[in-house]
Amino acid sequence: QVQLVQSGAEVKKPGASVNVSCKASGYRFTSYYMYWLRQAPGQRLEWMGLINAGTGYTKYSQNFQDRISITRDSSANTAYMELSSLRFEDTAMYFCARGFLIGSGLYGGAYWGQGALVIVSS
Amino acid sequence: YELTQPPSVSVSPGQTARITCSGDALPKQFVYWYQQKPGQAPVLLIYKDTQRPTGIPERFSGSGSGSTVTLTISGVQAEDEADYWCQSADTSGVHWVFGGGTKLTV
Repeated sequence: QVQLVQSGAEVKKPGASVNVSCKASGYRFTSYYMYWLRQAPGQRLEWMGLINAGTGYTKYSQNFQDRISITRDSSANTAYMELSSLRFEDTAMYFCARGFLIGSGLYGGAYWGQGALVIVSS
Repeated sequence: YELTQPPSVSVSPGQTARITCSGDALPKQFVYWYQQKPGQAPVLLIYKDTQRPTGIPERFSGSGSGSTVTLTISGVQAEDEADYWCQSADTSGVHWVFGGGTKLTV
């Protein structure tokens, strides 16, 4: 069965960077997009970016364009999201989500990781 | 662009709940619906406007046309109390957009 297991909670100071990992199992890693989203307390879900796990192609939300980097290690079936220059307002739960088969024309989250809480505090 | 949902819907057990999602670009892109319970990750309920993933109960259905789509939950159960999110994509199909979420109270 498909599983996405994310790394644990992090507490970071303003200006620091955070790296969240998402280890996938139960499917062919390179045949799907992996998406990253976040959800601040009591807020709506916010799309951050994606990676084509096969080619490594990435696309980022303009809201994070200069601060985000999404990468993957195909040999480890793991995707990574790094967010730099952290601010207090970056405190949120960060999710990875596997999409549908690349080329299907479907752009939604079929499976989700459990989330990783990132707290930005001085 | 934006998607608009009612902030809350309240129904009694066994009734039918309908949650709407409106957006100008909806006719061009598919809509997805998610259920999220407190402290948990979202779960995909509906994809491609009306399709139900394996394992999702038949009481969840998606419908709609034009600029408004609807998630219908028939025979609502207490366990259906959760937040519900609609999601679509921009014209490139890549950048996801979410509605503001609807809290269903049973």
